[in-house]
Amino acid sequence: DVVMTQTPVSLSVSLGGQVSISCRSSQSLVHNNGNTYLSWYLQKPGQSPQLLIYKVSNRFSGISDRFSGSGSGTDFTLKISRVEPDDLGVYYCGQGTQYPWTFGGGTKLELK
Amino acid sequence: EVQILETGGGLVKPGGSLRLSCATSGFNFNDYFMNWVRQAPGKGLEWVAQIRNKNYNYATYYAESLEGRVTISRDDSKSSVYLQVSSLRAEDTAIYYCTREGFAYWGQGTLVTVSS
Repeated sequence: DVVMTQTPVSLSVSLGGQVSISCRSSQSLVHNNGNTYLSWYLQKPGQSPQLLIYKVSNRFSGISDRFSGSGSGTDFTLKISRVEPDDLGVYYCGQGTQYPWTFGGGTKLELK
Repeated sequence: EVQILETGGGLVKPGGSLRLSCATSGFNFNDYFMNWVRQAPGKGLEWVAQIRNKNYNYATYYAESLEGRVTISRDDSKSSVYLQVSSLRAEDTAIYYCTREGFAYWGQGTLVTVSS
C-alpha cells in the first residue's frame, strides 16, 4: 500500500498568516497515464471532508485561490495564504493513483 | 446540485451485519464510480471500497483490511450505492461516508457503532 505521511501533525497560525503542509508518499504517485492523483481535503469540525485540490495543483470548483498545491513524484505541499477563520480544521492529503486509495494522517490547523 | 445521503447506520452487536445505503441526485449517476470511506471516532480517513460503472463492468475494489467482510453494490435505476458489512467488530465503529468518484462530493455520513 502507498503510505501517505503528513507533516506537521498540528499547526498554529494567526489570522491573515500563511502556512504550508507537507505530504510525502512512499511510492511515486505518477500514474501510468501520466497523471498524478494527489488531492487535498479539509474537514471542518463536525462536517464531512471537502475537496480542495485535485491532481496536485488544480483547485476544485469554488475553492479560493488562497489555497495552492504543488509538488511531484512523492513530495507535495499545500499552501494556505491569508488564513481566515473558516480555514480551520483538519487537512488531509490522499492518493488515487494506486489501489487501495490511501490518506495521510491529517494536519490540524488551529488559531494561534 | 449534487446530493448524497447515507442511511442504515446504527448500533450493532459484534458479529452482526449491516447494509448501508447511499442515495444520490444532481448528477448522472451512471457515469461515475462510487466509493465508501470511513472514519473511526477521532481518527483519520480510511477508504473502504469502490464500484466502477457499467462501462467498466461494475468492477469492485476493497481495502484489504475489510476484504471478505464487505460487499459494495449499486443500482443505477435508483442512483444508489450500497455497502454490506458482515462479521462486524468493535474496530468497525466509524462514520461511513459515501463519495463520488474523485472524492469531489461527500455525504454527511452514517454512524455505525459496534458494541455489545
